Amino acid sequence: AQSVTQPDIHITVSEGASLELRCNYSYGATPYLFWYVQSPGQGLQLLLKYFSGDTLVQGIKGFEAEFKRSQSSFNLRKPSVHWSDAAEYFCAVGANTGTASKLTFGTGTRLQVTL
Amino acid sequence: DAGVIQSPRHEVTEMGQEVTLRCKPISGHDYLFWYRQTMMRGLELLIYFNNNVPIDDSGMPEDRFSAKMPNASFSTLKIQPSEPRDSAVYFCASSRTGRGGTEAFFGQGTRLTVV
Repeated sequence: AQSVTQPDIHITVSEGASLELRCNYSYGATPYLFWYVQSPGQGLQLLLKYFSGDTLVQGIKGFEAEFKRSQSSFNLRKPSVHWSDAAEYFCAVGANTGTASKLTFGTGTRLQVTL
Repeated sequence: DAGVIQSPRHEVTEMGQEVTLRCKPISGHDYLFWYRQTMMRGLELLIYFNNNVPIDDSGMPEDRFSAKMPNASFSTLKIQPSEPRDSAVYFCASSRTGRGGTEAFFGQGTRLTVV
């Protein structure tokens, strides 16, 4: 069965500092990987996705993620964090049979940004 | 497009009452998903449909939960009778077939409180 681990429950960074959120997955085949962001009281917004090809994926709001098969990781990065990035971030793996949007989510990482 | 529309946004009901959550997917999307988000269990898939047909309902917690999709533009998730442990945020998401478009778009969610 597929699974996703986000080892950091809560991260605090200063505005302008760099950010890396960790994500490890378990899946028996080539995974489809996603990062979603959830602001308080809101739904989930897709930041970026990896299906195949270039292992460095660019997303919205200046985020990027790198797929590393050898480490079963798909870490999310941003070079300079803005206060508006404070939110909860979810890594997810999608099935590669049927539909990739049948998602298994990690437990999420709550990002706090200090000014 | 207005995105995935869920109603109501908030629902407070008494234990034992029937609750119906509604979802309108994005036009042209042929997959529809119902997820539940709780502090204890995170985001979990309850059921999903393809072309209005339920494909996998293995995540539905009990027989008290049922979901229907009578047409391509409407789905309901019903809980009868409701219990306090059903309190959660319920998300509906939709996607369309095809590698380039298989990311899921989420609604704003329905926050259900059962007292």
